[in-house]
Amino acid sequence: DGGITQSPKYLFRKEGQNVTLSCEQNLNHDAMYWYRQDPGQGLRLIYYSQIVNDFQKGDIAEGYSVSREKKESFPLTVTSAQKNPTAFYLCASRRGLVAFFGQGTRLTVV
Amino acid sequence: DQQVKQNSPSLSVQEGRISILNCDYTNSMFDYFLWYKKYPAEGPTFLISISSIKDKNEDGRFTVFLNKSAKHLSLHIVPSQPGDSAVYFCAASAMRTGTASKLTFGTGTRLQVTL
Repeated sequence: DGGITQSPKYLFRKEGQNVTLSCEQNLNHDAMYWYRQDPGQGLRLIYYSQIVNDFQKGDIAEGYSVSREKKESFPLTVTSAQKNPTAFYLCASRRGLVAFFGQGTRLTVV
Repeated sequence: DQQVKQNSPSLSVQEGRISILNCDYTNSMFDYFLWYKKYPAEGPTFLISISSIKDKNEDGRFTVFLNKSAKHLSLHIVPSQPGDSAVYFCAASAMRTGTASKLTFGTGTRLQVTL
């Protein structure tokens, strides 16, 4: 089945540790995105990539890093510099006008 | 700066009635708008979209209306069903500019359809 796969669904990390969230798509989409959802704040754009080996900061990129070495993959690293990393993270891909989302990863930092 | 706003955090509607969800935007460069539906702990799913060259787009029970002069769009669901209970997000993009890939979301409206 074609789609977007985020793993893991739940992730726990100790404060001060970096953690990488996986996002893979087999839809052959060029553009990929990372959003963060917090209660009452909707979806905020962290990073996006329009093609391989290229990516741009979104509205809340501080404390995050990404790479786009393959069309299918767009991993997000939450670094220790991110002040409030506990959130629900959503990956999406887009070709044309509509973006399609994965099922999300809930990251909890303790 | 919230460029896409959904001012009603929640809405309760009786089954069979019409649900109207509203969205306002401030960026006049936005020319393509989408609505997404989201259940808890899941990713949003695409519902319906509209280009700025139109003022209405319909798909089954869902209709989106766009008022460009007011920078306002709305999603109508008729008739509302219990399975429509979810959070609805409005999103916008500026296809004419170099930032066409950037998709900006509102804060969402939680719809509850009661029996």
